[in-house]
Amino acid sequence: GAGVSQSPSNKVTEKGKDVELRCDPISGHTALYWYRQRLGQGLEFLIYFQGNSAPDKSGLPSDRFSAERTGESVSTLTIQRTQQEDSAVYLCASSLFSGGLANYGYTFGSGTRLTVV
Amino acid sequence: AQKVTQAQTEISVVEKEDVTLDCVYETRDTTYYLFWYKQPPSGELVFLIRRNSFDEQNEISGRYSWNFQKSTSSFNFTITASQVVDSAVYFCALSNQAGTALIFGKGTTLSVSS
Repeated sequence: GAGVSQSPSNKVTEKGKDVELRCDPISGHTALYWYRQRLGQGLEFLIYFQGNSAPDKSGLPSDRFSAERTGESVSTLTIQRTQQEDSAVYLCASSLFSGGLANYGYTFGSGTRLTVV
Repeated sequence: AQKVTQAQTEISVVEKEDVTLDCVYETRDTTYYLFWYKQPPSGELVFLIRRNSFDEQNEISGRYSWNFQKSTSSFNFTITASQVVDSAVYFCALSNQAGTALIFGKGTTLSVSS
C-alpha cells in the first residue's frame, strides 16, 4: 500500500479483555516496529521485526504483550488481560532495510488509540 | 546504551519569532542516523529529516534548518519565522547503523500563537 495502515484506529475495551492491533506495512519494507505513546509522553519502543530474523522483543513491558509478523507483511500486536495502564496510542512504523548503511527513513502509521475502561 | 535528550519540554513563541529545539544524543556507535519528526495535534508522525553521522553539513529546507555537531553530540532544529501551523510536538530520534533500534526523545511541545 501507499502508507502504513493500522487498524482499528480506535479501540475501547474492558479491563481484563484481550485485544489485537493490526499493522500493514508499506509493501517491500522489511523492517517493522511497534511503539507505544502514552498521553503527553514520548514514543516507547516495544518490538522490532526484520525479515526472517528473530524479533527484538526487548521493549515489551510484560508477558501480556506479544507480537507476530507473517514474513514481511502484516503484524499483529496482542495485549492479553488488558489493564488501564495499557491505554495509549500504539504506533507501527516500517522501513526499507537492506543491511549495512542502507538505513532509510521510517514511515509511521496513524496509530491505534486504545482505551481500557 | 543509546539515549536522546530533549531538555525543552514546552516552548511558546509568537508568530514570526525564530525558535530552536535542542536535541542531545548519546551513542557508542560510529555510524548512526538522526531524525526529526513532527507530531501535529492530529496525531500522525511526520518525517522531517534524516542525517547520517558522517555528514555534518547543516541543512536548510525552507523555514527549517538543522545544525548537526558531533563534537557536542547535538542535532538542533531551528524554525525561522514561526507560524501557527508549526504548533506540534517535535521528536528527535536516533537509530544505529543496522536500523535495529530507533530511540526517541520525550519530545518538545511547540506552541505558536498569533
